Amino acid sequence: AQSVTQLDSQVPVFEEAPVELRCNYSSSVSVYLFWYVQYPNQGLQLLLKYLSGSTLVKGINGFEAEFNKSQTSFHLRKPSVHISDTAEYFCAVSDLRGGATNKLIFGTGTLLAVQP
Amino acid sequence: GAGVSQSPSNKVTEKGKDVELRCDPISGHTALYWYRQSLGQGLEFLIYFQGNSAPDKSGLPSDRFSAERTGGSVSTLTIQRTQQEDSAVYLCASSIGVGQPQHFGDGTRLSIL
Repeated sequence: AQSVTQLDSQVPVFEEAPVELRCNYSSSVSVYLFWYVQYPNQGLQLLLKYLSGSTLVKGINGFEAEFNKSQTSFHLRKPSVHISDTAEYFCAVSDLRGGATNKLIFGTGTLLAVQP
Repeated sequence: GAGVSQSPSNKVTEKGKDVELRCDPISGHTALYWYRQSLGQGLEFLIYFQGNSAPDKSGLPSDRFSAERTGGSVSTLTIQRTQQEDSAVYLCASSIGVGQPQHFGDGTRLSIL
């Protein structure tokens, strides 16, 4: 079964520093990959997606991610974070096998804590 | 345009009672999903609707859980004889089609006393 691993449950970082949030998925079959952000008491907001094409994907709020098929990774990066980026970040995958519902399988989330 | 709307935003009920949670997807979105977010289990898929096809119920944790989608739009998730372990945030998402990004509502926070 498909699974997603986010090794870091919490990442503290100072404002204006760069950050990388790690995500690895289990399956080598064709997949769609997503990063979502969740602010307190809100639902999930799509940051970016990889469906096909260029392996470097740019999203909202200055975030980007790189799809690496050989390492089955989809790490999220931002060159300079702001206090307002403090939130929970979820990596998710849906597989493309015939008949799949494209339900999302989520990682356990990474809390990005930006400090002044 | 309007996003995915869920109601109520919060629900507190006693153990053993039935609850209904409502989801209004984005207009024109044919795919609708329910997920549950809890401290112990993270984000879990519950059920999926696509057009007039039979729903994928593979994520429902027990037969106390059911869902329907009327007229291809509004969906209701029903939990019968609630238990304390049902306490969680229930999230609804919709997408324009299979494989397309899912857009989430703000969820219903369910607390079972």
